[in-house]
Amino acid sequence: DAGVIQSPRHEVTEMGQEVTLRCKPISGHNSLFWYRQTMMRGLELLIYFNNNVPIDDSGMPEDRFSAKMPNASFSTLKIQPSEPRDSAVYFCASSLRGGASHSPLHFGNGTRLTVT
Amino acid sequence: SQQGEEDPQALSIQEGENATMNCSYKTSINNLQWYRQNSGRGLVHLILIRSNEREKHSGRLRVTLDTSKKSSSLLITASRAADTASYFCATDARDSNYQLIWGAGTKLIIKP
Repeated sequence: DAGVIQSPRHEVTEMGQEVTLRCKPISGHNSLFWYRQTMMRGLELLIYFNNNVPIDDSGMPEDRFSAKMPNASFSTLKIQPSEPRDSAVYFCASSLRGGASHSPLHFGNGTRLTVT
Repeated sequence: SQQGEEDPQALSIQEGENATMNCSYKTSINNLQWYRQNSGRGLVHLILIRSNEREKHSGRLRVTLDTSKKSSSLLITASRAADTASYFCATDARDSNYQLIWGAGTKLIIKP
């Protein structure tokens, strides 16, 4: 079990640039979450997929953010254009079934995004 | 929105001592989970306790849940330097099977 794999681990970009974060969930997990973590706001759920379908994207802050899950083994979170206030650690997590209340979340090691 | 509130925000103890962290929440829950986050890493699930359970053990971890007080505690016995991390509680809402409400975390430092 390789765990949830995220790339890149670190991303430094200039304001206005497009940023794409990638995630490979654990094989067999049918739920995928994107979270953002900051000191000020803690952990925030951005979007939740179940069986590759976006179920809840109410946490996506603005239209600049978009997420896709084209298949069960890959998801992307895109920010276009990026802004300095998007600087945070972005986590992808997966769980075996249903949702986080039924089975534990398995987190990747995150992507630390810095927008200058 | 943040529901869980951990206290203390930070805790520094000597290796070998016990560490206790508390979590309070506001609304009814189905279960409560504890996670650990090492610096620069993702969160790792430690233990899940259901609303009809009062205590649960896993190795050196002991979790209690008091639904009447809407609070939980995480006890780490015989702490080790490797236990240095931030610890988060997370609760679910009765009307959601996927949304977790996270606390701000307790930063635990174990001094050798």
